[in-house]
Amino acid sequence: EVQLVESGGGLVQPGGSLKLSCAASGFNFTKYPMTWVRQAPGKAPEWVSGITASGASTFYTDSVKGRFTVSRDNSKNRVSLQMNSLRAEDTAIYYCAKDYRRAVTDLGGFDSWGQGTLVTVSS
Amino acid sequence: QSVLTQPPSVSAAPGQKVTISCSGSRSNIGLNPVSWYQQFPGTAPKLLTYDNDKRPSGIPDRFSGSKSGTSATLGITGLQTGDEADYYCGAWETSVSLYVFGTGTKVTVL
Repeated sequence: EVQLVESGGGLVQPGGSLKLSCAASGFNFTKYPMTWVRQAPGKAPEWVSGITASGASTFYTDSVKGRFTVSRDNSKNRVSLQMNSLRAEDTAIYYCAKDYRRAVTDLGGFDSWGQGTLVTVSS
Repeated sequence: QSVLTQPPSVSAAPGQKVTISCSGSRSNIGLNPVSWYQQFPGTAPKLLTYDNDKRPSGIPDRFSGSKSGTSATLGITGLQTGDEADYYCGAWETSVSLYVFGTGTKVTVL
């Protein structure tokens, strides 16, 4: 059974930093791209960032480029999201998700999701 | 800033059918496979269909996806009260290398 467990969320002041982690199990982690999706209360999910299976390629939505960095450690089955220069509009539940296909140039869609971790940016 | 447009809500009586549209463009739906997700309050989205019209194991065949040109459709037949949820389409946006979700549709069972 695929399991994705996020951690690292919390309350942070504007301009601050947080690092989210996602521990994966139950599948061959090294074969699949991984993604971070966030959802503010009452809003649609918003894709944030993705990383290919090897980690060679990373993708970001425009609003986080230059502030967030996605990475993965295939030896530890873990994907992370380093978030710097946080803003109030980054407040959301952040989900880690697994891609359903093994593409190397894009993302197809997400067949397994974690339970989410709440990030609140407020003074 | 979603570029995939869905109707805000659809409704029907139990046992009836609803369809949810997802309108995009050549650079997203036109070039890439579409997925559909179901989300209940307080829970993570769940993949309902992928590759336009495939269902993951465990998803009932009451749920069906299709794609034509730059639009996609999710159909739900034999509507049940347990189907009341928010539904989102999603696809890769080739022009700017990012994934986009639709605006979302709330399904209500009358």
